[in-house]
Amino acid sequence: DQQVKQNSPSLSVQEGRISILNCDYTNSMFDYFLWYKKYPAEGPTFLISISSIKDKNEDGRFTVFLNKSAKHLSLHIVPSQPGDSAVYFCAASASNTGNQFYFGTGTSLTVIP
Amino acid sequence: KAGVTQTPRYLIKTRGQQVTLSCSPISGHRSVSWYQQTPGQGLQFLFEYFSETQRNKGNFPGRFSGRQFSNSRSEMNVSTLELGDSALYLCASSFDGDQPQHFGDGTRLSIL
Repeated sequence: DQQVKQNSPSLSVQEGRISILNCDYTNSMFDYFLWYKKYPAEGPTFLISISSIKDKNEDGRFTVFLNKSAKHLSLHIVPSQPGDSAVYFCAASASNTGNQFYFGTGTSLTVIP
Repeated sequence: KAGVTQTPRYLIKTRGQQVTLSCSPISGHRSVSWYQQTPGQGLQFLFEYFSETQRNKGNFPGRFSGRQFSNSRSEMNVSTLELGDSALYLCASSFDGDQPQHFGDGTRLSIL
C-alpha cells in the first residue's frame, strides 16, 4: 500500500523556468515531509523538509508547499538549472509511529539547456 | 566528515544463496535504516536500528534480517535469495532517527 505517491514519473522543463514536482499522501498522521534528490549511481541527498505546523518552507531556489487538507505537497525549483536534472523523491513520517519514513516512487526531472 | 559507506557496491548471487551487506554510518550517528529500491516501487523501508536494537520494521519477509554493532555499523542479511530480491539496497543514517537521513550510494544486488 503506497502511502506516498508521486504520480508523474517524469518532467521536462526549460532552463530558467519553474519546475513543480508533486506528491500526495494518504496517511493523515504524517507530520514531517522531506524531499530528496538522487543522481544515478549515488544515494539520495536531502534537499528540504517541512513539518505539518507550516505550509511553506524555502531554501534558496527550492520551496516546499504543504496543503494538509488536500494531503498534498509540492516542490518548486526556481529558476531550474541543468544540474537539477535528477530523480526527486518525497518522503513522509509520523512522529507517533517511530522513525519510519515512507517514500514515493520518484519523479525524474530533466532540465533542458 | 566521511559519509555513509556501503560495501560492496555490486554483488551477483544465484537463487537460494544468502548475502550480507554492510553499512558504516556517519560518525556519531546512532540510527541506521535500510531500504530496498526497485524500478517503479521507490524506496521500501526494511528496518531501522538504533543502539544495537531493531526499532522499526517494514513489511518484508523474515528472510530479510539485520543487526547493528556497538560502533553503529550495521549489516543486512538476505537468506534464500529469490529473483525478486534483485534491487538497489540503500542504507541511511541519522543521529537519532527523526532527522533527515544521510544515504550511502547503495549496494546493487543482482540475482541470477
